[in-house]
Amino acid sequence: DQQVKQNSPSLSVQEGRISILNCDYTNSMFDYFLWYKKYPAEGPTFLISISSIKDKNEDGRFTVFLNKSAKHLSLHIVPSQPGDSAVYFCAAISGNTPLVFGKGTRLSVIA
Amino acid sequence: GAGVSQSPRYKVAKRGQDVALRCDPISGHVSLFWYQQALGQGPEFLTYFQNEAQLDKSGLPSDRFFAERPEGSVSTLKIQRTQQEDSAVYLCASNLPGLRGDTQYFGPGTRLTVL
Repeated sequence: DQQVKQNSPSLSVQEGRISILNCDYTNSMFDYFLWYKKYPAEGPTFLISISSIKDKNEDGRFTVFLNKSAKHLSLHIVPSQPGDSAVYFCAAISGNTPLVFGKGTRLSVIA
Repeated sequence: GAGVSQSPRYKVAKRGQDVALRCDPISGHVSLFWYQQALGQGPEFLTYFQNEAQLDKSGLPSDRFFAERPEGSVSTLKIQRTQQEDSAVYLCASNLPGLRGDTQYFGPGTRLTVL
């Protein structure tokens, strides 16, 4: 039973446009959420995170929004660049429990 | 400085063989995690060490899976009598204890294929 769900396996976006990646979760105990980025043949690398006490966190071109009532978060990338093409994983933590990952969304930014 | 390294990067095993996968964490990182990533899935937690102590092994899928970190640095994940369903990428991550998931540094993974 998936506690973190990324329902879009893939997304294609034109360079310069906004990319929006979505993530839903079912466990209301999750209190910290993260996005990881993964290139082929490399391990995931941390991108941005948000605590459950916030509803938005911004870092340069990347913004994560959290809607706790809907148990939904999203990652916005603007403007999208070809180098952003990768698989993006949403992950969540409750206290000191292990990271729980979604299945990932493959983003393709088309020049 | 050097990141997390894993070896081998690729491993092909015949069903029933035993395999050993190695992880070298970042120097000074006390915590070490193993994850299994099946094709088309996200990483799934297997086990966690703090120094040489295995504090959580709740994610190990069967008693064929065994992990150790005898000196609190290098770790080995061993899979006995491999089965086809064990085919996956095995990821190792390390960090300092008490910190959240954003401070986990992942290695490139070992891709295990069981024929």
